[in-house]
Amino acid sequence: GAGVSQSPSNKVTEKGKDVELRCDPISGHTALYWYRQSLGQGLEFLIYFQGNSAPDKSGLPSDRFSAERTGGSVSTLTIQRTQQEDSAVYLCASSSGPGQGIFSTEAFFGQGTRLTVV
Amino acid sequence: GNSVTQMEGPVTLSEEAFLTINCTYTATGYPSLFWYVQYPGEGLQLLLKATKADDKGSNKGFEATYRKETTSFHLEKGSVQVSDSAVYFCALSVIAGGTSYGKLTFGQGTILTVHP
Repeated sequence: GAGVSQSPSNKVTEKGKDVELRCDPISGHTALYWYRQSLGQGLEFLIYFQGNSAPDKSGLPSDRFSAERTGGSVSTLTIQRTQQEDSAVYLCASSSGPGQGIFSTEAFFGQGTRLTVV
Repeated sequence: GNSVTQMEGPVTLSEEAFLTINCTYTATGYPSLFWYVQYPGEGLQLLLKATKADDKGSNKGFEATYRKETTSFHLEKGSVQVSDSAVYFCALSVIAGGTSYGKLTFGQGTILTVHP
């Protein structure tokens, strides 16, 4: 696609419910990242995918958070039993792959999903 | 670990004023440095980057120089415009084992408002 697409753009959910957030990366991009943007915490890394595998999931805040990527393309971030502190904007980014040496590859961001837990 | 500290702001300037947003970092390994910008209602966009010491990144009149000796990457613009009003994020990505897989560590963001 032309850019990174995320859906839904807004999601309001009740505390305790499960939610799924979707990310469609730029076609051909092998690397995919999820970040969370919240007041007071800034932008936090959650998880990195290279293809369908996740070599770095160190930023997932608890076992209520999980993510998968299928076909080396679409990714879904799932939050189970949502809590109010999960309210944030969840950002997805993709890049053409790991950079080599000093050449970092640029990450392109989607517009995010604003999650509100009430 | 890796961290980025940036001037929090908010910063309010008049059009044509000079802008500096300070950014310092700590990193294990050899970082690449970035400035991202988030315009109202839009996603994060890469503004400029520098991948090695003494490199200067520049774009849209903005500049930042990678200063290894002071671990800094301050953003500057000589004459800001109303259209520059946005949130600016300093970030780093560390190369390990010859590969940077692009994981970004961000500063807290600085809100810039430019008045006519």
